[in-house]
Amino acid sequence: NAGVTQTPKFQVLKTGQSMTLQCAQDMNHNSMYWYRQDPGMGLRLIYYSASEGTTDKGEVPNGYNVSRLNKREFSLRLESAAPSQTSVYFCASTGRGGYNSPLHFGNGTRLTVT
Amino acid sequence: GEDVEQSLFLSVREGDSSVINCTYTDSSSTYLYWYKQEPGAGLQLLTYIFSNMDMKQDQRLTVLLNKKDKHLSLRIADTQTGDSAIYFCAERRNAGNMLTFGGGTRLMVKP
Repeated sequence: NAGVTQTPKFQVLKTGQSMTLQCAQDMNHNSMYWYRQDPGMGLRLIYYSASEGTTDKGEVPNGYNVSRLNKREFSLRLESAAPSQTSVYFCASTGRGGYNSPLHFGNGTRLTVT
Repeated sequence: GEDVEQSLFLSVREGDSSVINCTYTDSSSTYLYWYKQEPGAGLQLLTYIFSNMDMKQDQRLTVLLNKKDKHLSLRIADTQTGDSAIYFCAERRNAGNMLTFGGGTRLMVKP
């Protein structure tokens, strides 16, 4: 099993450019998440999808949009990138196991906006 | 968010015990988690504890929870160089299926 797969692994954008970060999981999980990781700030939730067909804002949604394409895939789009969006982005998923169902993380996308 | 706080850095010698501390503010927290992040990788779940427990042991790992003080700790016995990583605590609240993470503690193990 691949688990949670994110593409690309690295990306450099210029201010104002757009891009989509892709995420797919093969564990038949219902819930998927996008986090960003900044030094000393832990992980902050951008958007999540509790189940196929639903998406909700997290703690820091501004500047981002998401699409839950199907049960496997959850993409994150930056319409007009800004230097403040330089970060490491993690996708995660979790199953229907209740509160003790752990989050499974991808290996991250390292984004630099110049 | 900063509802969950950790110290930034801990350095120990190989073979010593490491204790990583975490404080949280939401009394409705149900489960509390410890994740490990190695360089260039995502987070991996190490262990978790339910809020009605005060201790959980799993091989070299011991989790202590003081619910009154909202304090969580992770003790790693006989720390090895392979334990060098960033450790995150996280809480899950009654309100939903989301986790709130601390800022992470970077553990450095010196040989």
